[in-house]
Amino acid sequence: GQNIDQPTEMTATEGAIVQINCTYQTSGFNGLFWYQQHAGEAPTFLSYNVLDGLEEKGRFSSFLSRSKGYSYLLLKELQMKDSASYLCAVRDGDYKLSFGAGTTVTVRA
Amino acid sequence: ETGVTQTPRHLVMGMTNKKSLKCEQHLGHNAMYWYKQSAKKPLELMFVYNFKEQTENNSVPSRFSPECPNSSHLFLHLHTLQPEDSALYLCASSQLEGHTGELFFGEGSRLTVL
Repeated sequence: GQNIDQPTEMTATEGAIVQINCTYQTSGFNGLFWYQQHAGEAPTFLSYNVLDGLEEKGRFSSFLSRSKGYSYLLLKELQMKDSASYLCAVRDGDYKLSFGAGTTVTVRA
Repeated sequence: ETGVTQTPRHLVMGMTNKKSLKCEQHLGHNAMYWYKQSAKKPLELMFVYNFKEQTENNSVPSRFSPECPNSSHLFLHLHTLQPEDSALYLCASSQLEGHTGELFFGEGSRLTVL
């Protein structure tokens, strides 16, 4: 089976930086994904890591260490619209994704 | 229409009713999925269709019955559901063997079983 852990909730101030950690134990590994989900909306793809290291996309960056079974999503220059749930997911084969329970980020003014 | 669309967005049904959820993807993808999302729990994969053939059925009760008539459409037929089946049902599609193969999700169908 798969075990994917991430914190339940995080709160930060507008303009600040927040780091969401994700640890995983899976039977196989073929990529790690981060998704953003606003309340009442569909999850949307944010980032993909399959090799170790940092992937940067504007204000968002994602890091992966396969040997440690660890990833983080870094959100910089937080904006109110970044308040959402952030889902970590691991692909262990050709197509099957297993998800963590999600981290709810609340951005305060 | 673009992306992945799901209907209905909201559904309330009794335990003896029969209803269906519909999903359509306009992305030309070759795989479609049904996920169940309950509050504070991880998304649970229910069914996967790969090139229209069901390749995964994660021990889902038979009161949920999927149908994939072609690579663009996916249905989830519901009958004699239980109150604990109340959840958000998300459809997704992906292009297998694509660059990242990420899932594209629909907005979901919010199901309430009375």
